[in-house]
Amino acid sequence: EPEVTQTPSHQVTQMGQEVILRCVPISNHLYFYWYRQILGQKVEFLVSFYNNEISEKSEIFDDQFSVERPDGSNFTLKIRSTKLEDSAMYFCASSEGTPKAFFGQGTRLTVV
Amino acid sequence: AQSVTQLDSQVPVFEEAPVELRCNYSSSVSVYLFWYVQYPNQGLQLLLKYLSGSTLVESINGFEAEFNKSQTSFHLRKPSVHISDTAEYFCAVSAVRGGSEKLVFGKGTKLTVNP
Repeated sequence: EPEVTQTPSHQVTQMGQEVILRCVPISNHLYFYWYRQILGQKVEFLVSFYNNEISEKSEIFDDQFSVERPDGSNFTLKIRSTKLEDSAMYFCASSEGTPKAFFGQGTRLTVV
Repeated sequence: AQSVTQLDSQVPVFEEAPVELRCNYSSSVSVYLFWYVQYPNQGLQLLLKYLSGSTLVESINGFEAEFNKSQTSFHLRKPSVHISDTAEYFCAVSAVRGGSEKLVFGKGTKLTVNP
């Protein structure tokens, strides 16, 4: 079965550094998402992306965050200047336009 | 806007016992309903979904959930659990609109199946 792939599985970064989380969505999917899960809390929507632009973003997704689809396969989440509170599991998801999203395994981001 | 409430943060049960994980939602528009499962150190996997039609939906591993519109609930049940069902279970909703809408998740219920 096709799957969403995320790299790295775990990233440790110093506060103030930029990080890029990478995702390879399922190839024929059109809608892409980032969610995050702070330890012990619920999974929260960050941003959705369709037709090469952001279609919706949450209040969490401020100017420190950006997303990009630099080529036909990758979908990236960039955090410009990481804060301690950005430590979380970040999930990428994709959908072909039906109400069924496929999630990646997640990237655990630890900001120290 | 939608919201999801999972009333139980942890549910311990013995193997072969029945289990019910509760989920209630709030929405001003029609929604699709989902249960996702997260096994230890893994990502989110779709367990089952309600889109339309029969209000009772089933998964391949014996779980079922029933959409109850009047009670705005989508409880997850299994008549006999296995050790391997130990995981965290998330209820989620998305609004019924064109395109593909974001998911709104509950806080999750940790199911622990003991021998």
